[in-house]
Amino acid sequence: SQTIHQWPATLVQPVGSPLSLECTVEGTSNPNLYWYRQAAGRGLQLLFYSVGIGQISSEVPQNLSASRPQDRQFILSSKKLLLSDSGFYLCAIKADQGYEQYFGPGTRLTVT
Amino acid sequence: ILNVEQSPQSLHVQEGDSTNFTCSFPSSNFYALHWYRWETAKSPEALFVMTLNGDEKKKGRISATLNTKEGYSYLYIKGSQPEDSATYLCACNQAGTALIFGKGTTLSVSS
Repeated sequence: SQTIHQWPATLVQPVGSPLSLECTVEGTSNPNLYWYRQAAGRGLQLLFYSVGIGQISSEVPQNLSASRPQDRQFILSSKKLLLSDSGFYLCAIKADQGYEQYFGPGTRLTVT
Repeated sequence: ILNVEQSPQSLHVQEGDSTNFTCSFPSSNFYALHWYRWETAKSPEALFVMTLNGDEKKKGRISATLNTKEGYSYLYIKGSQPEDSATYLCACNQAGTALIFGKGTTLSVSS
């Protein structure tokens, strides 16, 4: 079965600082990968998804970016964080076969 | 843009009560409907995936139904327990697209 790792688990960063969140996956190959965010008082919002190495689709305009340098690695980045970037960031995968989508443990980001 | 709506937004019940939530979604180009259970500070846990009109799934005291023609799904919890307290997320996707989530129903069960 697949395992999803995310780090760091928690992060406190000042406004204007850069960001790099990493997600790695084990136990599956060529998965679809997703970044979601839950901001305070809001639902779970899809930020990016990737169907393969170097293939990134963005769902919402923002100051975040994503990259997929390897098949099982998905990175979320920002050059300059905003207060509104605070939230709980979840990485998710969908296996090649089937409908299920599974989530990683998440990263709690607080921008001060 | 796919829009998934859940109601109610929050719900408070007593231990032993049965309850249900609603998820509505566009019926056109439907592919799959997912229910997740999300506890604070944890990652969402998959409960059910349903794809066919009339599908019914059950896991213990929790069950779900799907109506793809009218675009809704119900989640039922029988005999609620305090450990059922969580946010229940519904998500839907069309073929080849990512899951779009509703805002969730937050259930609080008092003992």
